[in-house]
Amino acid sequence: AQSVAQPEDQVNVAEGNPLTVKCTYSVSGNPYLFWYVQYPNRGLQFLLKYITGDNLVKGSYGFKAEFNKSQTSFHLKKPSALVSDSALYFCAVRDTIMNNNAGNMLTFGGGTRLMVKP
Amino acid sequence: DAGVIQSPRHEVTEMGQEVTLRCKPISGHDYLFWYRQTMMRGLELLIYFNNNVPIDDSGMPEDRFSAKMPNASFSTLKIQPSEPRDSAVYFCASSLRLAGVETQYFGPGTRLLVL
Repeated sequence: AQSVAQPEDQVNVAEGNPLTVKCTYSVSGNPYLFWYVQYPNRGLQFLLKYITGDNLVKGSYGFKAEFNKSQTSFHLKKPSALVSDSALYFCAVRDTIMNNNAGNMLTFGGGTRLMVKP
Repeated sequence: DAGVIQSPRHEVTEMGQEVTLRCKPISGHDYLFWYRQTMMRGLELLIYFNNNVPIDDSGMPEDRFSAKMPNASFSTLKIQPSEPRDSAVYFCASSLRLAGVETQYFGPGTRLLVL
């Protein structure tokens, strides 16, 4: 079974400061990891993903995430937050051990609301 | 590409009425997903299709919910009869299976309110 935990319901940060949104996962095999962002009254938008290779993944809008296998984490980071980054962020995982009929089911975390204050 | 298209964007109905939500996936994508989002339960996968065939409907809450995909460019999620606890935002997403590293693309959602 696969699962994702986002331990913080909300993260508050001042504009210009670095931000981190935490994500930990559990899988049987190796993970495929994703970050999505949801702005108010909008669908989820893809930010970045880790499949294999470099543990540091760069995505849209200056975001990056670091895959840490030993800590089973995939925290989202940005060096300088913008007010416009305020949104709901979802981490998602897919286990590489899946049968052919399982398709590409993702398991999403509960989401973390990021509030960036001017 | 227009992305995933959902209609209606908002739906208000009365308890007991039938509700039909519609989705047009991105052209060429062969996976389609229906999700439900609520404050209490977060984002839940209801059902997904591969090449128009339902693969896993274990997330469908009860028999009042049904989903179909008659062709590669159209899917419906139906609730009959609707209940107030069905009030939520329903998202459709699609993806192209590509070496197992697919990205799902979400539609804007349908906000459903059952009175």
